[in-house]
Amino acid sequence: SQTIHQWPATLVQPVGSPLSLECTVEGTSNPNLYWYRQAAGRGLQLLFYSVGIGQISSEVPQNLSASRPQDRQFILSSKKLLLSDSGFYLCAWSPQHLGTHWMDTIYFGEGSWLTVV
Amino acid sequence: AQSVTQPDIHITVSEGASLELRCNYSYGATPYLFWYVQSPGQGLQLLLKYFSGDTLVQGIKGFEAEFKRSQSSFNLRKPSVHWSDAAEYFCAVMNAGGTSYGKLTFGQGTILTVHP
Repeated sequence: SQTIHQWPATLVQPVGSPLSLECTVEGTSNPNLYWYRQAAGRGLQLLFYSVGIGQISSEVPQNLSASRPQDRQFILSSKKLLLSDSGFYLCAWSPQHLGTHWMDTIYFGEGSWLTVV
Repeated sequence: AQSVTQPDIHITVSEGASLELRCNYSYGATPYLFWYVQSPGQGLQLLLKYFSGDTLVQGIKGFEAEFKRSQSSFNLRKPSVHWSDAAEYFCAVMNAGGTSYGKLTFGQGTILTVHP
């Protein structure tokens, strides 16, 4: 069965420090991969999504970047964190081609709490 | 561009009462629609989804949702709410084709409080 791992689970970082959140998926190949951010009271915002190695689409201009060095690995980074980067970050994956099968959906990791101080 | 609106930020119901959470979407073609639930500090769990076919879909935990194309709505319902249903609920729409295939856009969420 497929699983998604995301780490670290919690992180407290000073302003101006770098960031690296990592996500890996097991049990599937060629997944679509996503990074979402959930800021307090703001719902879920899509940050990046990737349909293949080295293919990254950015949804909003921001202080963050994403990379996909391997098929099932998705990394969220920042060179210098801002206070406004605080939030709950969720990695997710979905099959490349979605249909009516009950398995065809987006699956989320457990999330990473980032507090920038 | 696709978008999702959940008009109710916070809903409070009594245990055993019925529930309806509203969701309206904007999308140029037939959408893929989802409802997710998030307990405090947790990730998201899929409740149900609509891709095609029967417009009334059944999900887990006794939830159901009805797709109404004429109203661009996908409201979530439950006939009798349990205290364990207290959580935040998200409606989402997914691009079903084109260059943004698979992109999932969420509504702002509805927080459900259940009174005993």
